[in-house]
Amino acid sequence: QLTQSPSALSASVGDSVTITCRASQAISSFLAWYQQQPGKAPKLLIYAASTLQSGVPSRFSGDGSGTEFTLTISSLQPEDFATYYCQHLNSYPSSFGQGTRLEIK
Amino acid sequence: QVQLQESGPGLVKPSQTLSLTCNVSGGSISSGGYFWSWIRQHPGKGLEWIGYIHYTGNTYYNPSLKSRVTISGDTSKNQFSLKVNSVTAADTAVYYCATQAVTDARLDNWGQGTLVTVSS
Repeated sequence: QLTQSPSALSASVGDSVTITCRASQAISSFLAWYQQQPGKAPKLLIYAASTLQSGVPSRFSGDGSGTEFTLTISSLQPEDFATYYCQHLNSYPSSFGQGTRLEIK
Repeated sequence: QVQLQESGPGLVKPSQTLSLTCNVSGGSISSGGYFWSWIRQHPGKGLEWIGYIHYTGNTYYNPSLKSRVTISGDTSKNQFSLKVNSVTAADTAVYYCATQAVTDARLDNWGQGTLVTVSS
């Protein structure tokens, strides 16, 4: 089970934000992060906890291993205001965190 | 880049079977490198992984849905399908098909999603 925090946060363009995903048991680095814009499919940002998917801006970064993981977005851009999900990759069935909604302040 | 497109009825009556197809382009479902997966999202809610099929025919379903779900593939049409039996209003959701890497389970290509409403 994955628990994200916070469930929602507000920030301004140019800010840096960090979202946390905690796993109920150790999953090494088997974690991915996705971004979902309203009405759109999720988009893979990071996998293996810290590997940036091709084409994803470098302001996105991931860190962590074991049970605690973070997604950091530095210098927020208007297009970054969206909902973010973590997903564990270490076993099936796959499951996701409940999501973190990032809103513009 | 693999592209995916879901298709199927947008409205299904309670107790009937929900049937969706995912058409694949830019790649082959006979490729061993992917699981071909379905995920759904209830309105305003988070993501729920439904299951996958591999080109070998192997399938894996979320235990929460296993008794009602079937995923199949058609290599001649390069598409795969989802069936959910005995649907209720709780199956109303946006359904996505996606590629899931065999190596590490990341979902790296997604269809645009299709809303299925269960209502009489």
